[in-house]
Amino acid sequence: SQQGEEDPQALSIQEGENATMNCSYKTSINNLQWYRQNSGRGLVHLILIRSNEREKHSGRLRVTLDTSKKSSSLLITASRAADTASYFCATDEGSGYNKLIFGAGTRLAVHP
Amino acid sequence: EPEVTQTPSHQVTQMGQEVILRCVPISNHLYFYWYRQILGQKVEFLVSFYNNEISEKSEIFDDQFSVERPDGSNFTLKIRSTKLEDSAMYFCASSWDPSGDTQYFGPGTRLTVL
Repeated sequence: SQQGEEDPQALSIQEGENATMNCSYKTSINNLQWYRQNSGRGLVHLILIRSNEREKHSGRLRVTLDTSKKSSSLLITASRAADTASYFCATDEGSGYNKLIFGAGTRLAVHP
Repeated sequence: EPEVTQTPSHQVTQMGQEVILRCVPISNHLYFYWYRQILGQKVEFLVSFYNNEISEKSEIFDDQFSVERPDGSNFTLKIRSTKLEDSAMYFCASSWDPSGDTQYFGPGTRLTVL
């Protein structure tokens, strides 16, 4: 798989349920970021986790990072219909200028 | 809260025409980026820019592309002779520090080449 690959590709859940999305990458990284994109719109930054961190929280979001497995997960708890969007992980390659490599994303649909 | 802005939101052009996409990064940021997203595909890195010069560019960023920071606030992407395959959403991003810092993205410009 390529740098920053998410799974599942699509996820459909009911409001109130938790949604978990996974991301795998190949190279060493400085940090990993998660972004949300509503259909046809811009990228909204959700959370950044550094390579020396294992877990980070922000509101209903919880991100984990396992550098030994080169993987990360994004958990959205108590999901809402407004969480319906595509979610992307983006990694750098440990490079100085931090170009981001995006995965194909997970399309999350939360049904009322 | 400061944000990255982009204009226009949608640009329609004929193949072979030049287009300039404009971005205003967050004011105290030093590093600037362009990415693009072809419909239904991944977001792809095009170029990064620091201290008035390109710091890194991808294979996509060929001689038809150029970037400029003409003044203290704007950051532009020019495509000299557009092709059909240049149709995509173009995102500008900026950050304070290139390593370990969040990149903030603008809302994008949808470029349609006919």
